[in-house]
Amino acid sequence: DQQVKQNSPSLSVQEGRISILNCDYTNSMFDYFLWYKKYPAEGPTFLISISSIKDKNEDGRFTVFLNKSAKHLSLHIVPSQPGDSAVYFCAAYYGQNFVFGPGTRLSVLP
Amino acid sequence: KAGVTQTPRYLIKTRGQQVTLSCSPISGHRSVSWYQQTPGQGLQFLFEYFSETQRNKGNFPGRFSGRQFSNSRSEMNVSTLELGDSALYLCASSFDRTYEQYFGPGTRLTVT
Repeated sequence: DQQVKQNSPSLSVQEGRISILNCDYTNSMFDYFLWYKKYPAEGPTFLISISSIKDKNEDGRFTVFLNKSAKHLSLHIVPSQPGDSAVYFCAAYYGQNFVFGPGTRLSVLP
Repeated sequence: KAGVTQTPRYLIKTRGQQVTLSCSPISGHRSVSWYQQTPGQGLQFLFEYFSETQRNKGNFPGRFSGRQFSNSRSEMNVSTLELGDSALYLCASSFDRTYEQYFGPGTRLTVT
């Protein structure tokens, strides 16, 4: 029973274009959402987060959108760069519970 | 500021053995969480320690246990290893009940 889902295991995007990574959740109790990036042989690195009281948060090339009614969030990377190639995990939090999605592997092609 | 460190980085054990993994959090961080990552499963939460007390636990069998010391360093122990325990074990630290955890590089455990 996955509470946080990332239905696309992989995504390929051309350098310079927009990358859109999607995440769906089932538990309406989640009140904070995060995206992490993970390179091989390294631990995940925090990327960007959003509180449930907001619908958008931007940090440089990264923007996270939250649609609470649809229980959906997305991460936009513009423009995409080859160094963005990694596995991206969506995570949701409430109380003391952290739940991670299975990840989406992004490949940015030069 | 030094990051989260985990030792050892790689470990090979046989079924039935036990293993202890170590995690040193970022200086000043009091919360340490442990996760198991397997292909296709993402990160599965094991447990969290704060000020030497376990304050949250995931849905793993009792063979998985942990502890935290007064200097916030944490250890995780797995007894009676099974083949399915082969995974990357990640440790993450945070200052308090902050959302942004900082992860270590992980310990790759292989059970044969």
